[in-house]
Amino acid sequence: KQEVTQIPAALSVPEGENLVLNCSFTDSAIYNLQWFRQDPGKGLTSLLLIQSSQREQTSGRLNASLDKSSGRSTLYIAASQPGDSATYLCASGNRDDKIIFGKGTRLHILP
Amino acid sequence: DAGVTQSPTHLIKTRGQHVTLRCSPISGHKSVSWYQQVLGQGPQFIFQYYEKEERGRGNFPDRFSARQFPNYSSELNVNALLLGDSALYLCASSFAGGPYNEQFFGPGTRLTVL
Repeated sequence: KQEVTQIPAALSVPEGENLVLNCSFTDSAIYNLQWFRQDPGKGLTSLLLIQSSQREQTSGRLNASLDKSSGRSTLYIAASQPGDSATYLCASGNRDDKIIFGKGTRLHILP
Repeated sequence: DAGVTQSPTHLIKTRGQHVTLRCSPISGHKSVSWYQQVLGQGPQFIFQYYEKEERGRGNFPDRFSARQFPNYSSELNVNALLLGDSALYLCASSFAGGPYNEQFFGPGTRLTVL
């Protein structure tokens, strides 16, 4: 049974810093790994999708990497801004047709 | 183009009642998935439908059911509501079925059970 873990649960960093969010999964036989952003009380916004055959994806200041062999993915945010404050969730697409989410990392960028 | 839409936005019910939540996918998308998100947790997978057929089911009791219509919109039904059913219910659409397609989420329906 796939388990997805995100550490830390919460993170506060000063504006302008680069930061890394971590996501680990127990079953490496995944189709893909997707990163989302969620603002309080809102739905999820898709940030990046990495297919199992890919190592990384980039969009603007965001870069996500995938290492299936070690069961890890990271989301790198460059030059953080107060508007980046949100909860970041990762989710694995699995071969039993289920999508499993982590509990998320609450990110707070300090002005 | 409109994104995924869900109705209603908020809903308050009492224990034992029944509720129906609705979702319209992005135009051209044929798959809809439903998730339950309890406060402080990640979304939990409930159902996926593709071409009006159930494609996947999470670990939820039979009180939860869903269906997909010919226009690819979907309904999630929950019977005999419990306090623990209070959550944000999220709908996601994707072009095709299966977990290998990018998921696009709606704003959610906030259900409160009193």
